[in-house]
Amino acid sequence: DAGVTQSPTHLIKTRGQQVTLRCSPKSGHDTVSWYQQALGQGPQFIFQYYEEEERQRGNFPDRFSGHQFPNYSSELNVNALLLGDSALYLCASSSFSVNYGYTFGSGTRLTVV
Amino acid sequence: EDQVTQSPEALRLQEGESSSLNCSYTVSGLRGLFWYRQDPGKGPEFLFTLYSAGEEKEKERLKATLTKKESFLHITAPKPEDSATYLCAVQKASSNTGKLIFGQGTTLQVKP
Repeated sequence: DAGVTQSPTHLIKTRGQQVTLRCSPKSGHDTVSWYQQALGQGPQFIFQYYEEEERQRGNFPDRFSGHQFPNYSSELNVNALLLGDSALYLCASSSFSVNYGYTFGSGTRLTVV
Repeated sequence: EDQVTQSPEALRLQEGESSSLNCSYTVSGLRGLFWYRQDPGKGPEFLFTLYSAGEEKEKERLKATLTKKESFLHITAPKPEDSATYLCAVQKASSNTGKLIFGQGTTLQVKP
């Protein structure tokens, strides 16, 4: 049973560029949440998607946007990259009807230079 | 303001030396408190969920407890493979999305 799959694993981008990160949820899960984890810090909630809609958003600017597809997979897009966007981006999936029991992926390490 | 604070930030133990990690939280209504283990460069791995004060859960050398204001992760006779960062997170009762609020983590190093 595959867990949460994220791609790519590592990414280097230049300041001002745009990036798209991808996530496939665990089998049986229909909800995807995205978190940003800076070095030495705990994960910070970016937003959550269910039924292809953004359900809740954390304290992140509009440069951060997302999408969920009919197969429950999700993308995180970040525009106009800043050096401070360098972090580990984590995807967590869950079942909306249960609303707990999150499974995290291994993350995408984004470096902005 | 909702807040989760973990202490200490870092902990060094000798193999077999038991200790506890602390997670203090201030949220308006708790639905659940989660403990995760995170290895370097990896995503958090689920350990426990606690829902009400007085609840305890165990897994191998780890035992998690919960009060109305804090949670403890007790590590009994740790081994080097227990070295990792341990994250605590809370979910508010009012949250309809299950958003987790994380602490900054405690990095545990167990020396042989």
